[in-house]
Amino acid sequence: EVHLLESGGGLVQPGGSLRLSCAASGFTFRSYAMNWVRQAPGKGLEWVSTVGGSGADTYYPDSVRGRFSISRDNSKNTLHLQMNTLRAEDTAVYFCAKGIVGSHSFDVWGQGTMVTVSS
Amino acid sequence: QSALTQPASVSGSPGQSITISCTGTSSDVGACNSVSWYQQHPGKAPKLMIYDVTDRPSGVSDRFSGSKSGNTASLAISGLQAEDEADYHCSSFASSGTLVFGGGTKVTVL
Repeated sequence: EVHLLESGGGLVQPGGSLRLSCAASGFTFRSYAMNWVRQAPGKGLEWVSTVGGSGADTYYPDSVRGRFSISRDNSKNTLHLQMNTLRAEDTAVYFCAKGIVGSHSFDVWGQGTMVTVSS
Repeated sequence: QSALTQPASVSGSPGQSITISCTGTSSDVGACNSVSWYQQHPGKAPKLMIYDVTDRPSGVSDRFSGSKSGNTASLAISGLQAEDEADYHCSSFASSGTLVFGGGTKVTVL
């Protein structure tokens, strides 16, 4: 069974850093792009980052570019999101999601991990 | 990149059909066939319902269908059932190389 499990969320002060992880199982991890998507409380979804299968290609929206860094360890089937200079508006549930080959869609999602940025 | 525009809420009675719209621009929805729709029940992770405008993943009911005309994509749900009550989010790849989501639509089954 294909499964994604996020970890690493928590409470952090503004300006602080946090590293999220996502453990993948049940599929050939290195063959798929992986993504982070977040959802602020009571709000819609927001795409945060994408990394290609090899890890060489990464993509970000303007809202997090320069502060967040996505990476993957294909030997451990693990996806990471390093978040620096965190702001209150980064408070959200962060989901990792598996991409579909040849599409910009996400067919498997983790249960999410909550990040709260507050003093 | 601006979010796509969805109605805040749509409702229908059991058995009826409803349609949810997702309006973007010529730089996203209108630029390519990369529109997706996700269903999300409260406190749960999103579930992919439609990808590449019209394709249904294995296991998704054929009561769900997608379409696109110009800069607006649509998700239709026929034979509305109680379990269809959820939030629905659209997304589109954009020519800038980014991915944009809509604000989400709450579907209520009356």
